[in-house]
Amino acid sequence: EIVLTQSPATLSLSPGERATLSCRASQSVSSYLVWYQQKPGQAPRLLIYDASNRATGIPARFSGSGSGTDFTLTISSLEPEDSAVYYCLQRSNWPYTFGQGTKLEI
Amino acid sequence: EVQLLESGGGLVQPGGSLRLSCAASGFPFSGYAMSWVRQAPGKGLEWVSVISGRDGSTSYGDSVKGRFTISRDNSKNTLYLKMDSLRVEDTAVFYCAKASMLAAGIIDYWGLGTLVTVSS
Repeated sequence: EIVLTQSPATLSLSPGERATLSCRASQSVSSYLVWYQQKPGQAPRLLIYDASNRATGIPARFSGSGSGTDFTLTISSLEPEDSAVYYCLQRSNWPYTFGQGTKLEI
Repeated sequence: EVQLLESGGGLVQPGGSLRLSCAASGFPFSGYAMSWVRQAPGKGLEWVSVISGRDGSTSYGDSVKGRFTISRDNSKNTLYLKMDSLRVEDTAVFYCAKASMLAAGIIDYWGLGTLVTVSS
């Protein structure tokens, strides 16, 4: 099973600042890395698929990069509504596995 | 509009069984892989199982293999998860999830979830 490790566990930033979230895989997942956003009491929301492709309706301030074992989700200019937990997911090998999440506080 | 409505959650004793259902609408159900993903209280996400759209091939996470069975009825646009030999550690919100047309491993829509509590 591929283990995804996200860092930091918690990130506290101010509106307008840039957020950089990391996801590291225990072995290569090629570009098969997905990012989700989850707000309290809600289901997750698809942000980025296959490392760098923004999902439909996702603002341009969200971007993803990386390949192999190291990936980054960047939020270029934070809005208050970006407060959430962010999860990465690898879909390279079954079982698909999630990281433990990064809590972003604005 | 895509809608996924889970039902069937509740309180069950350890060793018991439960069947979850997910009524889907707003898209051609038979053409998409569907999954169950769970989240224990205050914890992260775990992909439980996935079933393909037409041939019904299935995969399970190691923690549920041999105890859970995913199935679908394309004539009723409904996804199921039969859970047997339930354990306390199976307590979680179970989400029904639709795969994108790109790949089974990219979930683009989620239901609101149904809570399963396993306790004596």
